[in-house]
Amino acid sequence: EVQLVESGGGLVQAGGSLRLSCAASGFAFNRYWTHWVRQSPGKGLVWVSRINEDGSSTNYADSVKGRFTVSRDNAKNTLYLQMDSLRAEDTAVYYCARSKVGVTNTYYFDYWGQGTLVTVSS
Amino acid sequence: SSELTQDPAVSVALGQTVRVTCQGDSLRTYYASWYQQKPGQAPILVIYDKNNRPSGIPDRFSGSSSGNTASLTITGAQAEDEADYYCNSRDINSNHPVFGGGTKLTVL
Repeated sequence: EVQLVESGGGLVQAGGSLRLSCAASGFAFNRYWTHWVRQSPGKGLVWVSRINEDGSSTNYADSVKGRFTVSRDNAKNTLYLQMDSLRAEDTAVYYCARSKVGVTNTYYFDYWGQGTLVTVSS
Repeated sequence: SSELTQDPAVSVALGQTVRVTCQGDSLRTYYASWYQQKPGQAPILVIYDKNNRPSGIPDRFSGSSSGNTASLTITGAQAEDEADYYCNSRDINSNHPVFGGGTKLTVL
């Protein structure tokens, strides 16, 4: 059974840092792109970042570029999101998600974790 | 434009058919995927590659696409289908994934 379990969320002051983890199991973690998607309270889903299978390629949404860093440890089947210089607007539930590539070369997210809440106080 | 636009809310009578739409320029090139999210839960994939259902998704869910619009259709809506629905595709400028704003579906 495919499982993604996030951890590391919590309350942090603006300007602070936090590192999220996503433990993967039930599939060959090193064969999939994985992503972080966030959802602010009462709002919609927003893509944050992605990393390729071996960690050599990463991308970020403009809103987090230069402040967040995605990485992975395939030996530990774990995805990470290092979040620095946090702002109140980064408050959200952060989900990790596994993706596949569709026939038009578009990612779709076939498995999601349950999410971890990050609250940034100003 | 890189945006995907969805109606904020749609309602349907129990057992009737409802269509949830998603509009955006990228949909002329790239297929959409659709996600269902119930309160307090993570999203789940219900449609990918325009009209493919993952294992376990009921066949009352279907997808289609025409021009700049992708649609999710629920034929014979059930009470358990009440949820938020999000479309997702690819931003034609950045090549990054992008989500629509979501549609809250109410089953009456």
